[in-house]
Amino acid sequence: DTAVSQTPKYLVTQMGNDKSIKCEQNLGHDTMYWYKQDSKKFLKIMFSYNNKELIINETVPNRFSPKSPDKAHLNLHINSLDLGDSAVYFCASSPSGGDLYEQYFGPGTRLTVT
Amino acid sequence: LAKTTQPISMDSYEGQEVNITCSHNNIATNDYITWYQQFPSQGPRFIIQGYKTKVTNEVASLFIPADRKSSTLSLPRVSLSDTAVYYCLVGWNAGNNRKLIWGLGTSLAVNP
Repeated sequence: DTAVSQTPKYLVTQMGNDKSIKCEQNLGHDTMYWYKQDSKKFLKIMFSYNNKELIINETVPNRFSPKSPDKAHLNLHINSLDLGDSAVYFCASSPSGGDLYEQYFGPGTRLTVT
Repeated sequence: LAKTTQPISMDSYEGQEVNITCSHNNIATNDYITWYQQFPSQGPRFIIQGYKTKVTNEVASLFIPADRKSSTLSLPRVSLSDTAVYYCLVGWNAGNNRKLIWGLGTSLAVNP
C-alpha cells in the first residue's frame, strides 16, 4: 500500500538521451515535489506543483521539464542527459492549505548517466 | 534567505541520548523548523516539527530557544537502527506559497 511511488527505481542511460521518471501518490495530497540528491547527500528542491499548478521552479536547466497530468501524478522528463545529472531523484507530496505540513517522500530513482 | 548549518557527522553508542543542533541565524517570523531522517536507499522521513519552545513526540524532542536562531533535535536512548542522516529544514509550506531551506544533513553513527 505504497503512499508515494516512483518508477523506475534505477535508470542507467547514456549522455544525450532523453528519459522520464514517473511519480504517483495515493495520499490525496494537493502538492507534489521533485528533489535531486547528489553524491554528497545534498537535497535540492527542483520543482513543486500545487493542484497541477507549478509554484516552485528553482534554478534548474530547462532540459528538465515537470508534467502534472493530475493531482496524483508528477512526472519528470529530462532531455539531453548530461553526466552531471547523475543523482538520486526523489518525488514527494504534502497536503496544502493552512499550516505547515510534512512531506512524504518516494523511494527515489537512481539515475546514472554514462 | 535563511540558511541552515548542522554538524556533518556525529558518533554515539547504543542507549545514549543524542542531540543534534541546527543553526538558522536568519530564520524568518513565518518559518517553521522541521527535522527529517533518511536511511540509505530511502527517501527522507518526517520526524518532528516545531515553531518555538519544546515539542515532543514518540520518537524525539525538539528544543527551540526564544530567539529561534537554532534548534536541537534530541533522540533519547538511541539504538543501532537510529543510524541515519538527519536533516534540518527551515521554512513554510502552505497553499500556493512555500519556502523550504534544507540543511546538508548530519550523519549519525550509532555504535554497539
